[in-house]
Amino acid sequence: QKEVEQNSGPLSVPEGAIASLNCTYSDRVSQSFFWYRQYSGKSPELIMSIYSNGDKEDGRFTAQLNKASQYVSLLIRDSQPSDSATYLCAVRKEGSRLTFGEGTQLTVNP
Amino acid sequence: EAGVAQSPRYKIIEKRQSVAFWCNPISGHATLYWYQQILGQGPKLLIQFQNNGVVDDSQLPKDRFSAERLKGVDSTLKIQPAKLEDSAVYLCASSTRTATDTQYFGPGTRLTVL
Repeated sequence: QKEVEQNSGPLSVPEGAIASLNCTYSDRVSQSFFWYRQYSGKSPELIMSIYSNGDKEDGRFTAQLNKASQYVSLLIRDSQPSDSATYLCAVRKEGSRLTFGEGTQLTVNP
Repeated sequence: EAGVAQSPRYKIIEKRQSVAFWCNPISGHATLYWYQQILGQGPKLLIQFQNNGVVDDSQLPKDRFSAERLKGVDSTLKIQPAKLEDSAVYLCASSTRTATDTQYFGPGTRLTVL
């Protein structure tokens, strides 16, 4: 079982729609959760971090964490073509390395 | 504030050759990371430095990969000899500490091994 699994892509949504990206993790003691955005040919860029159960909102982005279900998601409201990228979920245990999922490629169609 | 710098940006070598990558982290960042990102996969940590000491190198293939961070600033990652499966983007990242601080990534070095 992979430590971090993301829903297989690619995911395609129309402009203005809500894009939903999902991630599950295997280690219950994981404490920190991150979403990175990676444009083609570029390096990852942190867009959201979440540490406790519930929702965290930042502009059009909402991260949701459910530790009991070992599940973290990212919602992008009012999706724009500029949101087209690969989204990487990353998880960290206390004092341990950041482990990334394989990413979900999102395309927002004008 | 300048970001993480890496060089070269691209490198093409033949298998069994050696190659070295350089990274200069954001000024004042004590922690430096080297990641390997194979096409279609997420980044995988190779080695983590705290100042000039190694914190985690458990996923570094030590028979062919080596890394150093002299004086706790710049870092060099070396591969010797390279294999076809080493073709990947090598990302350097830095952060102020290890605990919850954001990791800032450099532009990466794309390595192609022929």
